[in-house]
Amino acid sequence: AQTVTQSQPEMSVQEAETVTLSCTYDTSESDYYLFWYKQPPSRQMILVIRQEAYKQQNATENRFSVNFQKAAKSFSLKISDSQLGDAAMYFCAYRRSNAGGTSYGKLTFGQGTILTVHP
Amino acid sequence: KAGVTQTPRYLIKTRGQQVTLSCSPISGHRSVSWYQQTPGQGLQFLFEYFSETQRNKGNFPGRFSGRQFSNSRSEMNVSTLELGDSALYLCASSGTSFETQYFGPGTRLLVL
Repeated sequence: AQTVTQSQPEMSVQEAETVTLSCTYDTSESDYYLFWYKQPPSRQMILVIRQEAYKQQNATENRFSVNFQKAAKSFSLKISDSQLGDAAMYFCAYRRSNAGGTSYGKLTFGQGTILTVHP
Repeated sequence: KAGVTQTPRYLIKTRGQQVTLSCSPISGHRSVSWYQQTPGQGLQFLFEYFSETQRNKGNFPGRFSGRQFSNSRSEMNVSTLELGDSALYLCASSGTSFETQYFGPGTRLLVL
């Protein structure tokens, strides 16, 4: 079974600075997707960024970027120029790739990292 | 395009009762997944529906069930509620590529 581990229960960063959240996963699959979701106090789960395992290039979305190390099964999220609105719980998630029309819709989540942004 | 909607947003029930939660996916999305979020267990997958068929099921007792209608709207039902069923229930929808799931605001269920 696939597992996702976030070893940092809490992190903090000063506004405008950079922070990196860690995530490791375990899988025997070669093709899969990795995600970072953000859950602010409203509890709405918001997609931050997505990475396809077959792509060597790290995904980037504005101030958010990932460092995807497939061999090491590591998937960290870097937030640059942190803003007060970035404060939230961040979840790393894994999903198997589809095969032969079969959907593997199940997301496996890590335990989450609470990010605090100090003004 | 409107996002995923869930109703009701908050619910209080007593032990032994049953509850039905509803989820309307993003227009055009045919896959709906359900998750339970609790402080102790984190986010756990309940089930996934596509074209009115259950495709995946998580490790939950039979008290948890769901269905999907022809318009892709989905409901989940929990019968004989237990205190441990108190949680945030999240619904997510995805399009034909199934790649990315977009979440609704959740339903907070409190069982007394």
